[in-house]
Amino acid sequence: DTGVSQDPRHKITKRGQNVTFRCDPISEHNRLYWYRQTLGQGPEFLTYFQNEAQLEKSRLLSDRFSAERPKGSFSTLEIQRTEQGDSAMYLCASSPTGAENYGYTFGSGTRLTVV
Amino acid sequence: AQSVTQPDIHITVSEGASLELRCNYSYGATPYLFWYVQSPGQGLQLLLKYFSGDTLVQGIKGFEAEFKRSQSSFNLRKPSVHWSDAAEYFCAVDPLSTDSWGKFQFGAGTQVVVTP
Repeated sequence: DTGVSQDPRHKITKRGQNVTFRCDPISEHNRLYWYRQTLGQGPEFLTYFQNEAQLEKSRLLSDRFSAERPKGSFSTLEIQRTEQGDSAMYLCASSPTGAENYGYTFGSGTRLTVV
Repeated sequence: AQSVTQPDIHITVSEGASLELRCNYSYGATPYLFWYVQSPGQGLQLLLKYFSGDTLVQGIKGFEAEFKRSQSSFNLRKPSVHWSDAAEYFCAVDPLSTDSWGKFQFGAGTQVVVTP
Protein backbone atom coordinates (compact mmCIF):
# COMPACT_ATOMS: atom_id res chain seq x y z
CA ASP A 1 0.00 0.00 0.00
CA THR A 2 1.66 3.19 -1.18
CA GLY A 3 -0.90 5.57 0.29
CA VAL A 4 -2.66 8.31 -1.64
CA SER A 5 -0.70 9.71 -4.57
CA GLN A 6 -1.23 13.07 -6.22
CA ASP A 7 0.29 14.33 -9.41
CA PRO A 8 1.75 16.80 -10.10
CA ARG A 9 3.11 18.12 -6.81
CA HIS A 10 3.40 21.61 -8.20
CA LYS A 11 1.80 23.36 -11.14
CA ILE A 12 2.40 26.88 -12.37
CA THR A 13 0.04 28.04 -15.07
CA LYS A 14 -0.93 31.24 -16.79
CA ARG A 15 -4.31 32.74 -16.15
CA GLY A 16 -6.87 31.38 -18.58
CA GLN A 17 -5.19 28.02 -19.10
CA ASN A 18 -6.74 24.68 -18.17
CA VAL A 19 -5.12 22.38 -15.65
CA THR A 20 -5.81 18.80 -14.59
CA PHE A 21 -4.73 17.08 -11.40
CA ARG A 22 -4.73 13.38 -10.69
CA CYS A 23 -5.30 11.45 -7.48
CA ASP A 24 -4.70 7.74 -6.93
CA PRO A 25 -6.38 6.65 -3.70
CA ILE A 26 -5.63 3.65 -1.54
CA SER A 27 -6.95 0.78 -3.62
CA GLU A 28 -9.42 -0.61 -1.11
CA HIS A 29 -10.91 2.79 -0.24
CA ASN A 30 -14.19 3.42 -2.00
CA ARG A 31 -14.58 7.04 -0.93
CA LEU A 32 -12.49 9.81 -2.46
CA TYR A 33 -12.54 13.47 -1.52
CA TRP A 34 -11.13 16.68 -2.97
CA TYR A 35 -10.37 19.62 -0.71
CA ARG A 36 -8.82 23.02 -1.33
CA GLN A 37 -6.53 24.75 1.12
CA THR A 38 -5.41 28.35 0.97
CA LEU A 39 -2.61 29.85 3.01
CA GLY A 40 -3.39 29.98 6.71
CA GLN A 41 -6.66 28.12 6.39
CA GLY A 42 -7.92 24.63 6.97
CA PRO A 43 -8.96 22.46 4.04
CA GLU A 44 -12.34 23.26 2.47
CA PHE A 45 -14.49 20.56 0.96
CA LEU A 46 -14.89 20.59 -2.83
CA THR A 47 -16.41 17.29 -3.86
CA TYR A 48 -16.47 13.58 -3.13
CA PHE A 49 -17.07 10.22 -4.76
CA GLN A 50 -18.42 6.94 -3.54
CA ASN A 51 -16.88 4.52 -6.03
CA GLU A 52 -17.47 6.18 -9.42
CA ALA A 53 -20.48 8.25 -8.36
CA GLN A 54 -19.94 11.92 -7.56
CA LEU A 55 -22.29 12.41 -4.64
CA GLU A 56 -21.78 16.02 -3.64
CA LYS A 57 -20.23 19.22 -4.93
CA SER A 58 -19.54 22.26 -2.84
CA ARG A 59 -20.88 25.66 -3.81
CA LEU A 60 -17.18 26.62 -3.89
CA LEU A 61 -16.93 24.67 -7.13
CA SER A 62 -17.84 26.94 -10.01
CA ASP A 63 -18.73 25.62 -13.45
CA ARG A 64 -15.05 25.88 -14.33
CA PHE A 65 -14.29 22.94 -12.03
CA SER A 66 -15.04 19.35 -12.91
CA ALA A 67 -14.06 16.10 -11.29
CA GLU A 68 -14.29 12.52 -12.42
CA ARG A 69 -13.56 9.11 -11.03
CA PRO A 70 -13.92 6.64 -13.88
CA LYS A 71 -14.30 3.02 -12.81
CA GLY A 72 -14.07 4.05 -9.18
CA SER A 73 -10.28 4.09 -9.17
CA PHE A 74 -8.20 7.23 -9.72
CA SER A 75 -9.79 10.65 -9.90
CA THR A 76 -9.06 13.81 -11.85
CA LEU A 77 -9.87 17.40 -11.00
CA GLU A 78 -9.89 19.83 -13.91
CA ILE A 79 -9.99 23.59 -13.70
CA GLN A 80 -10.82 25.43 -16.90
CA ARG A 81 -9.90 29.04 -17.61
CA THR A 82 -7.87 29.35 -14.41
CA GLU A 83 -8.00 32.55 -12.38
CA GLN A 84 -5.56 33.90 -9.83
CA GLY A 85 -8.04 33.10 -7.10
CA ASP A 86 -7.66 29.42 -7.94
CA SER A 87 -4.13 29.46 -6.55
CA ALA A 88 -4.17 27.03 -3.64
CA MET A 89 -3.17 23.58 -2.47
CA TYR A 90 -5.53 20.92 -3.80
CA LEU A 91 -5.71 17.93 -1.51
CA CYS A 92 -7.09 14.51 -2.25
CA ALA A 93 -8.10 12.07 0.48
CA SER A 94 -9.55 8.60 0.49
CA SER A 95 -11.42 6.70 3.15
CA PRO A 96 -12.89 3.29 3.73
CA THR A 97 -16.50 3.07 4.79
CA GLY A 98 -15.89 0.51 7.51
CA ALA A 99 -15.96 1.83 11.06
CA GLU A 100 -12.72 0.29 12.25
CA ASN A 101 -10.40 2.18 9.94
CA TYR A 102 -12.64 5.13 9.23
CA GLY A 103 -10.91 8.40 8.53
CA TYR A 104 -9.17 10.25 5.76
CA THR A 105 -5.77 9.39 4.35
CA PHE A 106 -4.46 12.43 2.51
CA GLY A 107 -2.11 12.71 -0.40
CA SER A 108 0.71 15.24 -0.42
CA GLY A 109 -1.34 17.69 -2.42
CA THR A 110 -0.92 19.63 -5.65
CA ARG A 111 0.19 23.23 -5.22
CA LEU A 112 -1.34 25.38 -7.99
CA THR A 113 0.00 28.82 -8.75
CA VAL A 114 -1.82 30.91 -11.35
CA VAL A 115 0.25 33.79 -12.72
CA ALA B 1 -24.15 27.46 13.05
CA GLN B 2 -22.09 24.28 12.94
CA SER B 3 -18.41 25.03 13.35
CA VAL B 4 -14.99 23.87 14.43
CA THR B 5 -12.91 26.42 16.31
CA GLN B 6 -9.22 26.38 17.06
CA PRO B 7 -8.81 29.47 19.24
CA ASP B 8 -5.03 29.67 18.97
CA ILE B 9 -3.67 30.63 15.57
CA HIS B 10 -0.04 30.40 16.69
CA ILE B 11 1.71 28.81 19.67
CA THR B 12 5.40 28.98 20.55
CA VAL B 13 6.75 26.33 22.88
CA SER B 14 10.23 25.43 24.11
CA GLU B 15 11.65 22.04 23.25
CA GLY B 16 10.92 19.66 26.10
CA ALA B 17 7.96 21.66 27.37
CA SER B 18 4.39 20.45 27.28
CA LEU B 19 1.96 21.41 24.54
CA GLU B 20 -1.81 21.72 24.50
CA LEU B 21 -3.84 22.69 21.44
CA ARG B 22 -7.48 23.58 21.82
CA CYS B 23 -10.41 22.53 19.65
CA ASN B 24 -14.07 23.31 20.21
CA TYR B 25 -16.97 22.21 18.06
CA SER B 26 -20.55 23.24 17.71
CA TYR B 27 -22.82 20.46 16.48
CA GLY B 28 -26.13 19.07 17.60
CA ALA B 29 -24.82 15.60 18.35
CA THR B 30 -21.34 14.38 19.25
CA PRO B 31 -19.46 14.06 15.98
CA TYR B 32 -16.46 11.95 15.15
CA LEU B 33 -13.33 13.93 16.03
CA PHE B 34 -9.85 13.93 14.51
CA TRP B 35 -6.50 15.66 14.82
CA TYR B 36 -4.21 16.01 11.82
CA VAL B 37 -0.70 17.43 11.46
CA GLN B 38 0.67 19.13 8.36
CA SER B 39 4.33 19.87 7.68
CA PRO B 40 5.15 22.66 5.19
CA GLY B 41 4.21 21.77 1.64
CA GLN B 42 2.83 18.39 2.65
CA GLY B 43 -0.53 16.74 3.03
CA LEU B 44 -2.19 16.06 6.35
CA GLN B 45 -1.27 13.11 8.54
CA LEU B 46 -3.72 11.61 11.02
CA LEU B 47 -2.54 11.83 14.63
CA LEU B 48 -5.55 10.34 16.40
CA LYS B 49 -9.32 10.04 16.33
CA TYR B 50 -12.27 9.70 18.68
CA PHE B 51 -15.51 7.91 17.89
CA SER B 52 -16.84 6.80 21.28
CA GLY B 53 -15.81 5.14 24.53
CA ASP B 54 -12.74 6.12 26.54
CA THR B 55 -12.50 9.89 26.40
CA LEU B 56 -8.68 9.90 26.47
CA VAL B 57 -7.27 8.67 23.19
CA GLN B 58 -3.68 7.95 22.32
CA GLY B 59 -2.19 8.71 18.96
CA ILE B 60 1.05 8.58 17.08
CA LYS B 61 4.20 10.57 17.90
CA GLY B 62 3.37 10.66 21.60
CA PHE B 63 0.21 12.74 21.22
CA GLU B 64 -3.00 12.24 23.15
CA ALA B 65 -6.36 14.00 23.14
CA GLU B 66 -9.21 14.27 25.61
CA PHE B 67 -12.84 14.49 24.63
CA LYS B 68 -15.02 16.53 26.99
CA ARG B 69 -18.68 16.40 26.06
CA SER B 70 -19.70 19.08 28.55
CA GLN B 71 -17.28 21.54 26.98
CA SER B 72 -17.67 20.37 23.38
CA SER B 73 -13.91 20.16 23.26
CA PHE B 74 -11.26 17.79 21.96
CA ASN B 75 -7.90 19.17 23.04
CA LEU B 76 -4.61 17.74 21.85
CA ARG B 77 -1.66 17.34 24.22
CA LYS B 78 1.94 16.23 24.26
CA PRO B 79 3.94 16.06 27.48
CA SER B 80 7.32 16.95 25.96
CA VAL B 81 7.68 18.45 22.51
CA HIS B 82 10.51 17.79 20.10
CA TRP B 83 11.79 20.15 17.46
CA SER B 84 10.23 17.88 14.83
CA ASP B 85 6.77 18.68 16.23
CA ALA B 86 6.92 22.13 14.65
CA ALA B 87 4.06 22.05 12.14
CA GLU B 88 0.47 23.09 11.67
CA TYR B 89 -2.21 21.14 13.50
CA PHE B 90 -5.81 20.79 12.39
CA CYS B 91 -8.82 19.62 14.30
CA ALA B 92 -11.46 18.00 12.11
CA VAL B 93 -15.03 16.90 12.65
CA ASP B 94 -17.28 14.45 10.87
CA PRO B 95 -20.75 15.70 11.82
CA LEU B 96 -22.30 12.30 11.06
CA SER B 97 -25.04 14.06 9.18
CA THR B 98 -27.16 11.82 6.97
CA ASP B 99 -26.66 14.20 4.08
CA SER B 100 -22.93 14.84 4.52
CA TRP B 101 -21.55 11.35 3.91
CA GLY B 102 -18.25 11.61 5.71
CA LYS B 103 -17.61 15.21 4.72
CA PHE B 104 -15.21 16.59 7.28
CA GLN B 105 -15.10 20.15 8.52
CA PHE B 106 -11.69 21.45 9.52
CA GLY B 107 -10.63 24.14 11.92
CA ALA B 108 -8.41 26.96 10.70
CA GLY B 109 -5.35 25.34 12.24
CA THR B 110 -2.78 26.14 14.92
CA GLN B 111 0.79 26.81 13.89
CA VAL B 112 3.28 25.40 16.42
CA VAL B 113 6.78 26.80 16.63
CA VAL B 114 9.35 24.98 18.76
CA THR B 115 12.26 26.97 20.16
CA PRO B 116 15.55 25.50 21.42
